[in-house]
Amino acid sequence: GNSVTQMEGPVTLSEEAFLTINCTYTATGYPSLFWYVQYPGEGLQLLLKATKADDKGSNKGFEATYRKETTSFHLEKGSVQVSDSAVYFCALSDVQGGYNKLIFGAGTRLAVHP
Amino acid sequence: DGGITQSPKYLFRKEGQNVTLSCEQNLNHDAMYWYRQDPGQGLRLIYYSQIVNDFQKGDIAEGYSVSREKKESFPLTVTSAQKNPTAFYLCASMGQGTGTMVETQYFGPGTRLLVL
Repeated sequence: GNSVTQMEGPVTLSEEAFLTINCTYTATGYPSLFWYVQYPGEGLQLLLKATKADDKGSNKGFEATYRKETTSFHLEKGSVQVSDSAVYFCALSDVQGGYNKLIFGAGTRLAVHP
Repeated sequence: DGGITQSPKYLFRKEGQNVTLSCEQNLNHDAMYWYRQDPGQGLRLIYYSQIVNDFQKGDIAEGYSVSREKKESFPLTVTSAQKNPTAFYLCASMGQGTGTMVETQYFGPGTRLLVL
């Protein structure tokens, strides 16, 4: 079945460092891909998405490119801030029997220190 | 403001007790979802509903029940059969049809369930 694999955390960075969080997927067809962010004690917020190969999603300085050839959707940011500390989830859309679902990775915790 | 509300923020359950978590949305979304999140782990799907009066079991439905009598509401009951209910519960909704935001799930703030 379809699945998402994320790099294990925690990822610990200094402020203004470059961030990469790896995400690869296994899927039949052409799913949409998502990055969600979860701040402590809160629900998930959509960070960015891409709906087809070579699409680049971007938001708040974060970017991810839908790479069909490598089945990847890595999250990047050029200069992280302390306020970016959160858990990041990669996800793909999955349609089974007419029902739309999202399949999530396990999440990667990011800690940014001053 | 459109959005998803969950209540209560914290809920305490006694042994053998059923408790119900509320989820309401005013986004006019057809599909709604319940997830369970354990510390340091990802999301696991409990139940989902595509339309009113229809719902399907997710990956970990045992010990839980739902109803979908109104489009706006999708309450989750944690029954006494769920032996390890302590977790963070997240509700989400998703619109149908075409558009750039199709397939995007929007999440509520969550309910933390603790066992006394």
